[in-house]
Amino acid sequence: EDQVTQSPEALRLQEGESSSLNCSYTVSGLRGLFWYRQDPGKGPEFLFTLYSAGEEKEKERLKATLTKKESFLHITAPKPEDSATYLCASQETGGFKTIFGAGTRLFVKA
Amino acid sequence: EAGVAQSPRYKIIEKRQSVAFWCNPISGHATLYWYQQILGQGPKLLIQFQNNGVVDDSQLPKDRFSAERLKGVDSTLKIQPAKLEDSAVYLCASSTGRIQETQYFGPGTRLLVL
Repeated sequence: EDQVTQSPEALRLQEGESSSLNCSYTVSGLRGLFWYRQDPGKGPEFLFTLYSAGEEKEKERLKATLTKKESFLHITAPKPEDSATYLCASQETGGFKTIFGAGTRLFVKA
Repeated sequence: EAGVAQSPRYKIIEKRQSVAFWCNPISGHATLYWYQQILGQGPKLLIQFQNNGVVDDSQLPKDRFSAERLKGVDSTLKIQPAKLEDSAVYLCASSTGRIQETQYFGPGTRLLVL
């Protein structure tokens, strides 16, 4: 069964303390790997799509990378406003089913 | 560009009652998704429409859940009768329908079943 697993479940950082979030996936044929940010009480907000191993994308303090089995979301010098839940999702090539991980809750303290 | 609209934002019902949620996708988006997000978990796809047709409803509990998409635009998701375990946020998302396309989410409807 296709699965998406995110780690850690929660991460507490000091402002300026860089770190990485992990997303491992088991889907046999990957059409795309998506990263979303979700703030409390809101729907997920799109961040990145990665399509093939070796691909990297950046946006402000965030950088997403993709390997054949994992994706990483690197956060450089985070600020308190980066506090949110970060979700990753895989979409398979066979159909169009999107599978989400449980998310990583990030807390950044000033 | 207006985003995905959902209503109501909150709903509290007793178990065994019925409830319906409404979604209006981004104009021109052919694909519409309904997700269930239980507290502390990621969204789980319930049903996916491509225009008027159902692409995937493999995880929709069909004995109590139903969904329709009228004229390929708005959609409603209904639960009848509701159970305690249906308490969750119901998210609607839409995309243009091309492969590898980004999904844009609405704010969700928070359902509490007592």
